[in-house]
Amino acid sequence: EVQLVESGGDLVQPGGSLRLSCAASGFKFSSYAMSWVRQAPGKGLEWVSSISVGGGSTYYADSVKGRFTISRDNSKNTLYLQMDSLRAEDTALYYCAKERNWYADYWGQGTLVTVSS
Amino acid sequence: EIVMTQSPATLSVSPGERATLSCRASQSVNSNLAWYQKKPGQAPRLLIYGASTRATGIPARFSGSGSGTEFTLTISSLQCEDFAVYYCQQYNSWPPYSFGQGTKLEIK
Repeated sequence: EVQLVESGGDLVQPGGSLRLSCAASGFKFSSYAMSWVRQAPGKGLEWVSSISVGGGSTYYADSVKGRFTISRDNSKNTLYLQMDSLRAEDTALYYCAKERNWYADYWGQGTLVTVSS
Repeated sequence: EIVMTQSPATLSVSPGERATLSCRASQSVNSNLAWYQKKPGQAPRLLIYGASTRATGIPARFSGSGSGTEFTLTISSLQCEDFAVYYCQQYNSWPPYSFGQGTKLEIK
């Protein structure tokens, strides 16, 4: 069974940093691209970032480019999202998603990031 | 960037009836479109990919159609568990992967 478990969400002040993790199991992690998608309170889904199977290619939404960094450790079956220079508008539930042919076939339960002073 | 527009924003339907949700792309996405179901407190769930292929374990009452810029998700006979928010997403031209703003399917 595919499982994706996010962690690392917290309350952080504007300008602060946070690192999210996503522990994957139930599939061959190193064979699939992975993504982060977020949902702000009362809003829809917003794609944040994606990473290729080996980690050599990364992609970002314009809203986070230059502030967020996606990475993966295939030896630990773990996906990461380093979030720097956080803003109030980054407040959201962050989901980790497994990609299959560029769509997300499995999603985690999410981890909550709140940016507030 | 491709903009995805869903309609209506809210759809009120009685259990047992048919629901038809629409999704329009600002330019052609061929058949590279997915539909997701989102319930409060739950992870999004993949329903349809390739515009019309049901994901594993998805009941046959869910069907997708369309190509190019116009897409439809149809739920043939609504069950209580189907009331949720539905999102379309294109993956033809990225980044970014773009989602529609969602259609809330509520009980009439």
